[in-house]
Amino acid sequence: SYELTQPLSVSVALGQTARITCGGNNIGNNNVYWYQQKPGQAPVLVIYRDRYRPSGIPERFSGSNSGNTATLTISRAQAGDEADYYCQVWDSSTYVFGTGTKVTVL
Amino acid sequence: QITLKESGPTVVKPTQTLTLTCTLSGLSLSTTGVGVGWIRQPPGKALEWLALIYWDDDTRYSPSLKSRLTITKDTSRSQVVLTMTNMDPVDTATYYCAHKNTQLTDDALDVWGQGTMVTVAS
Repeated sequence: SYELTQPLSVSVALGQTARITCGGNNIGNNNVYWYQQKPGQAPVLVIYRDRYRPSGIPERFSGSNSGNTATLTISRAQAGDEADYYCQVWDSSTYVFGTGTKVTVL
Repeated sequence: QITLKESGPTVVKPTQTLTLTCTLSGLSLSTTGVGVGWIRQPPGKALEWLALIYWDDDTRYSPSLKSRLTITKDTSRSQVVLTMTNMDPVDTATYYCAHKNTQLTDDALDVWGQGTMVTVAS
């Protein structure tokens, strides 16, 4: 079965840029989706189809996908960006979620 | 505005069958491209997808749990029901339902319910 690997944690200074990776075999051939989950809340879609932002998601969130790695980039990080982030693909007609990354804003 | 809300028991005993209902508003389950999925999250752990049903009754299941899961929909009541048999304490988790629209955001789950916590204990 397909697997997606993310770093356990990423730390970023306030106002700086955080990059969260999602590794998978030839993931560049799949559309990648990213979700933000704050403590006690349901996940929220922040990036779809590799790089598109749903309505209401700040431009500070961006995505890329190539080769074996997809990346979610958070620019000008804010305290409110502290959360768990999950990548996701649709592979062989099943959803696969990444292992999740905890982002801490220092 | 699309909203989803999960409902069901908060506690089930081992070996029992869990039945969860997702009630939707702001959309029709008969709209082309619409799907509703179930995802769970054990305390402190990652998201795990369970099942999905489309507007045309096509269904998809997690390969590892397929033998225990059934997903159905009642379009007239705007509800999607998930049943999971032979519950075990390792199934303790928050269970979410989520909306999918293949015509808008492909395979994204773009709207989620608030989740419902299910504990499996005797």
